[in-house]
Amino acid sequence: AQSVAQPEDQVNVAEGNPLTVKCTYSVSGNPYLFWYVQYPNRGLQFLLKYITGDNLVKGSYGFEAEFNKSQTSFHLKKPSALVSDSALYFCAVRDGSTDSWGKLQFGAGTQVVVTP
Amino acid sequence: EAGVTQSPTHLIKTRGQQATLRCSPISGHTSVYWYQQALGLGLQFLLWYDEGEERNRGNFPPRFSGRQFPNYSSELNVNALELEDSALYLCASSLAGTRTTNSYEQYFGPGTRLTVT
Repeated sequence: AQSVAQPEDQVNVAEGNPLTVKCTYSVSGNPYLFWYVQYPNRGLQFLLKYITGDNLVKGSYGFEAEFNKSQTSFHLKKPSALVSDSALYFCAVRDGSTDSWGKLQFGAGTQVVVTP
Repeated sequence: EAGVTQSPTHLIKTRGQQATLRCSPISGHTSVYWYQQALGLGLQFLLWYDEGEERNRGNFPPRFSGRQFPNYSSELNVNALELEDSALYLCASSLAGTRTTNSYEQYFGPGTRLTVT
């Protein structure tokens, strides 16, 4: 079985400050990890993914994420937040098992609020 | 490049009726996925279609069904609508997924807002 947790319902950060959105996961076998962002009344936009290789993954709009196998975490980061980064962020996981074939398991989402 | 498109944007139905939602994937994508985003329940996987076949299904009753057409577009049908079916239904597409190549990211459409009264 696969699961993902986003421990913070909301993250507040001032514009220009570093932004971190936390994600931990549980899978059997190797995880495929994804981050998506959702703006109001919109679908999800893909930001980045980790499949294998370098633990630091760079994605769209200046975002990056660090895969930590020992802590089963995949935190999303941005060095300098913008007001336009205010949105709902989802972490998602999928393992290689047949049961989860094609199925993304999403976290509950973290609302990011960036204040000017 | 055109993204995933969904229609209609909004759909209002009465309890007991049937709803049909449509999705067109990104050109070149053969896999289509459906998710339900309901208040308080988050994003839940519904169905996955690839090459016209249903490949996987989430924990939803049989009244949720769908199909994929030869041009890879897809329909989601919800029969005997219940009030709790009110949600945003998101369609996503990706390159073909296989047992050993399951790493492709899914690209989402804007969704269909279904309201059941």
